[in-house]
Amino acid sequence: AQSVTQLDSHVSVSEGTPVLLRCNYSSSYSPSLFWYVQHPNKGLQLLLKYTSAATLVKGINGFEAEFKKSETSFHLTKPSAHMSDAAEYFCVVGGQAGTALIFGKGTTLSVSS
Amino acid sequence: DGGITQSPKYLFRKEGQNVTLSCEQNLNHDAMYWYRQDPGQGLRLIYYSHIVNDFQKGDIAEGYSVSREKKESFPLTVTSAQKNPTAFYLCASSMGLQGPVSGNTIYFGEGSWLTVV
Repeated sequence: AQSVTQLDSHVSVSEGTPVLLRCNYSSSYSPSLFWYVQHPNKGLQLLLKYTSAATLVKGINGFEAEFKKSETSFHLTKPSAHMSDAAEYFCVVGGQAGTALIFGKGTTLSVSS
Repeated sequence: DGGITQSPKYLFRKEGQNVTLSCEQNLNHDAMYWYRQDPGQGLRLIYYSHIVNDFQKGDIAEGYSVSREKKESFPLTVTSAQKNPTAFYLCASSMGLQGPVSGNTIYFGEGSWLTVV
């Protein structure tokens, strides 16, 4: 069965410093993996997705994630944080065939000036 | 513009009352979903549907009901049997249901806040 674990519930960075949000997954197959972002009281927006093509995936707003099968990880990074990056981030794995996505519990990113 | 519209944004429910949250999409997606979001718990799947007139229970379906009479509409009813309904509810859709490598992106509405008064 598929599952996903976000290793940090809260990450705090200073503006202009790198961002690392960690995600480990468990899957019986080569999975589809996604990162979504949610700003307060809003829906979720897709940042990027991996579907067994290039292992380094580039997304919107300067974010990228690297699929590492040996480590079962899909960490999200950004070289330089911006105040507008402060939000909730969800790592997501594709579930069993014919079902819905499986969401991690989320990581809150805080960015200070 | 194509997208998913949820209404109302804010809804208040009295004890013992049923309420219905609306979700409409004009993306021509086959699959639609309802998620519940509570602080610190991520998103939990309530119901999903991959085709008109068919839907499946998710992880927390008790106290909820849905219908899928039209492709573009997937309303969620929160019944009086749901003892703790206060939460943020998110409707979503995708081209098809998920598979291990399908990569079907899910698109979300802006959400609806339900509060029990």
